[in-house]
Amino acid sequence: EPEVTQTPSHQVTQMGQEVILRCVPISNHLYFYWYRQILGQKVEFLVSFYNNEISEKSEIFDDQFSVERPDGSNFTLKIRSTKLEDSAMYFCASSVEGAGTGANVLTFGAGSRLTVL
Amino acid sequence: KQEVTQIPAALSVPEGENLVLNCSFTDSAIYNLQWFRQDPGKGLTSLLLIQSSQREQTSGRLNASLDKSSGRSTLYIAASQPGDSATYLCAVPNQAGTALIFGKGTTLSVSS
Repeated sequence: EPEVTQTPSHQVTQMGQEVILRCVPISNHLYFYWYRQILGQKVEFLVSFYNNEISEKSEIFDDQFSVERPDGSNFTLKIRSTKLEDSAMYFCASSVEGAGTGANVLTFGAGSRLTVL
Repeated sequence: KQEVTQIPAALSVPEGENLVLNCSFTDSAIYNLQWFRQDPGKGLTSLLLIQSSQREQTSGRLNASLDKSSGRSTLYIAASQPGDSATYLCAVPNQAGTALIFGKGTTLSVSS
């Protein structure tokens, strides 16, 4: 069964460092998403991406964050200067159609755990 | 702004019991509702998706119902097993249909 692949599975970084989290969505999917989950808290939406541009971003997704689809397969989340509060599990997801489409299922990756020291 | 609430926050049952997890959402103009399972420290696995035109969906021992007008969904788990122990998340699209909004989840523990 097709799956969304995320790397790295765990990254430890020092505060102020730049981090890039990588995702390989399912090949025929056109919509891509990043979510985060701080330990013990709910899954929070960060950003959605379609047709090489951001379609929506949450208030969490400030200027420290950026997303890119550098080639035909990868989808990346960059955090420019990490803070302690960026420590979380980051999930990538993809779907064939938009989240609001009737039968559309979002498929999530296993996540990248980011620890900022 | 769409908000999703799940009750109870946690539930412990003995093996074999039937149980119901509840989800409510504030904006009933949704196209679908999705239930996910999350094991500790792991990703999200889609369990069931109900389209707005449907009232329920079934997959094995799982049955999810949707009442759009009242802004509620339930996930029914029949004959629970220890392997069902996980956090169950409910999610609906935001108003623009550009993202899913999640509830905090119900953490289920099934003892043998």
